[in-house]
Amino acid sequence: EAQLVESGGGLIQPGGSLRLSCAASGFKVSSNYMTWVRQAPGEGLEWVSIIYSAGDTYYADAVKGRFTISRDNSVNTVYLQMTSLKVEDTALYYCAKGYTFAYDSFDTWGQGTLVTVSS
Amino acid sequence: QSALTQPRSVSGSPGQSVTISCTGTSSDIGRFNYVSWYQQHPGKAPKLMIYDVTKRPSGVPDRFSGSKSGNEASLTISGLQADDEADYFCSSYAGSYTRVFGTGTKVTVL
Repeated sequence: EAQLVESGGGLIQPGGSLRLSCAASGFKVSSNYMTWVRQAPGEGLEWVSIIYSAGDTYYADAVKGRFTISRDNSVNTVYLQMTSLKVEDTALYYCAKGYTFAYDSFDTWGQGTLVTVSS
Repeated sequence: QSALTQPRSVSGSPGQSVTISCTGTSSDIGRFNYVSWYQQHPGKAPKLMIYDVTKRPSGVPDRFSGSKSGNEASLTISGLQADDEADYFCSSYAGSYTRVFGTGTKVTVL
């Protein structure tokens, strides 16, 4: 069974940096497209970034130039390096696995890790 | 990229049907047949309910169905059950390897 466990969230001051981790089990991150989606408190879902099996990466305009998605196949983990954090980046960050039978859907989600950007 | 527009809430009695709309543009929903729907119970992670506009992953009841017309997609829940009470989000591929989510709809079972 595919599972994802996020970690690395916390309280950080504006302008600071944080690295989120998403440890996968039951499948290989290198063989799937993997994404980060965030949800501000009481708000909807917002797509953040994606990494495809070939290694190409893409970002939402709101985080482009500040966030970097990567993966380490040896530990089956996907990362989100976040820099120059802003108050509006405060959210629960979910990692999700691409659904094998779909072009752009996500069938396995972690429980999320909370990032709070505040002075 | 602007969020897709969904009604804030819909409600229905057990056994009834409800339909949630998801309005986008000719750059996302109108252009691609890659609309997904997710169910999210309070404090839980989203769950994929519909992909590629109309398809259901294994394990999702056939009470859930999806459709699309022009720039608008819809999710219909038939035979409404208490456990269907949750937030529902649509999403659409928007080109250039980006995607956009909907604003979310709270479904209440009366």
